[in-house]
Amino acid sequence: KQEVTQIPAALSVPEGENLVLNCSFTDSAIYNLQWFRQDPGKGLTSLLLIQSSQREQTSGRLNASLDKSSGRSTLYIAASQPGDSATYLCAVRLLGSGNTGKLIFGQGTTLQVKP
Amino acid sequence: DGGITQSPKYLFRKEGQNVTLSCEQNLNHDAMYWYRQDPGQGLRLIYYSQIVNDFQKGDIAEGYSVSREKKESFPLTVTSAQKNPTAFYLCASSIDDRTGTQPQHFGDGTRLSIL
Repeated sequence: KQEVTQIPAALSVPEGENLVLNCSFTDSAIYNLQWFRQDPGKGLTSLLLIQSSQREQTSGRLNASLDKSSGRSTLYIAASQPGDSATYLCAVRLLGSGNTGKLIFGQGTTLQVKP
Repeated sequence: DGGITQSPKYLFRKEGQNVTLSCEQNLNHDAMYWYRQDPGQGLRLIYYSQIVNDFQKGDIAEGYSVSREKKESFPLTVTSAQKNPTAFYLCASSIDDRTGTQPQHFGDGTRLSIL
């Protein structure tokens, strides 16, 4: 059974710092891995999607990497800003689920960037 | 603007009552999903639908029911059989993706509480 784990559960950093969020999964048979952002009381916003054949994706100050063989992904945030404060969730889409798009989520990392 | 609309934002359920959460999308997506989120946890899949008039159970379907009579709409009913309904409910949709390249898009959620 696929399990997704995110460490740490919470992180507090000063503004301007570069930081890394970690995500690990137990089964490498995945279609893709997605990183989402969730603001308090809100839905999820898709940040980056890495297909199983890719190693990384970049969008602005965000860079996500994928090492399928070791079951790990990282989300790198450069020059963090107070507006980056949110909960970050990673999710894997399983192979064998065909076109159902079923995602398995980690518990999230809650980030606080202090001014 | 294209997107997913969930209503109501807050909902209260009395003992023994069924309640229905609304989810409407105008993204022309074939696939729709319902997730439940408990505090400090990731999302868990309740039901999903790939096409009109068809839907499948997710990991925690007991005590819930859905319908998919229109492409745009995927309402979720929380029945009295669901003994612990207090949670944040999120609806999502996606293109019927067989390539693993398309992310899921989420609504802003409905928070359900017991009176």
